[in-house]
Amino acid sequence: AQKVTQAQTEISVVEKEDVTLDCVYETRDTTYYLFWYKQPPSGELVFLIRRNSFDEQNEISGRYSWNFQKSTSSFNFTITASQVVDSAVYFCALSEAGGGTSYGKLTFGQGTILTVHP
Amino acid sequence: AAGVIQSPRHLIKEKRETATLKCYPIPRHDTVYWYQQGPGQDPQFLISFYEKMQSDKGSIPDRFSAQQFSDYHSELNMSSLELGDSALYFCASSLGSTQYFGPGTRLLVL
Repeated sequence: AQKVTQAQTEISVVEKEDVTLDCVYETRDTTYYLFWYKQPPSGELVFLIRRNSFDEQNEISGRYSWNFQKSTSSFNFTITASQVVDSAVYFCALSEAGGGTSYGKLTFGQGTILTVHP
Repeated sequence: AAGVIQSPRHLIKEKRETATLKCYPIPRHDTVYWYQQGPGQDPQFLISFYEKMQSDKGSIPDRFSAQQFSDYHSELNMSSLELGDSALYFCASSLGSTQYFGPGTRLLVL
């Protein structure tokens, strides 16, 4: 069974601060995918980033960066120079490689509520 | 770019009524997923379809059923609605590992 844990329930920062969201996962699969999704107050789920289990290279994309460490089963997400529009619930999610050519369901963490104050 | 379309966006039903939620995936995506998100909860997987065949099933009540049609759109049918079915229902589609979500249907059961 797969499990995703986001220990931080809520984070509050002031604009322009950097903020890191933590995510720890459990899976028995050797091939899996990790994601971060953003859910703003309007309710939609917006895909942010994806990392494959076989690629531990960490990257930066604009103000977003992520740190994937297989040894500690962690997939942390950092927003640099936070802005008020970053206020949202952030979900870390895991999917295992599905059977055949389909891909597996997403298992989400509990979510972290990020509030960025002006 | 085209996104996942869900209809209706909002739905109010009485207990024991039936509801049908529709999902139109991104063109050429071959897999559709349904999720349920209760208030303050994370989304929970219900069911998925790959090339119009059911590919996986999660914690979907027996009162719910779903199918994917020849044009790839999908419908989630919910019968004998209960108060606890009030939630945000998401459809997602994928061609590969990344799932793209629709705006959701907010169902309120009174």
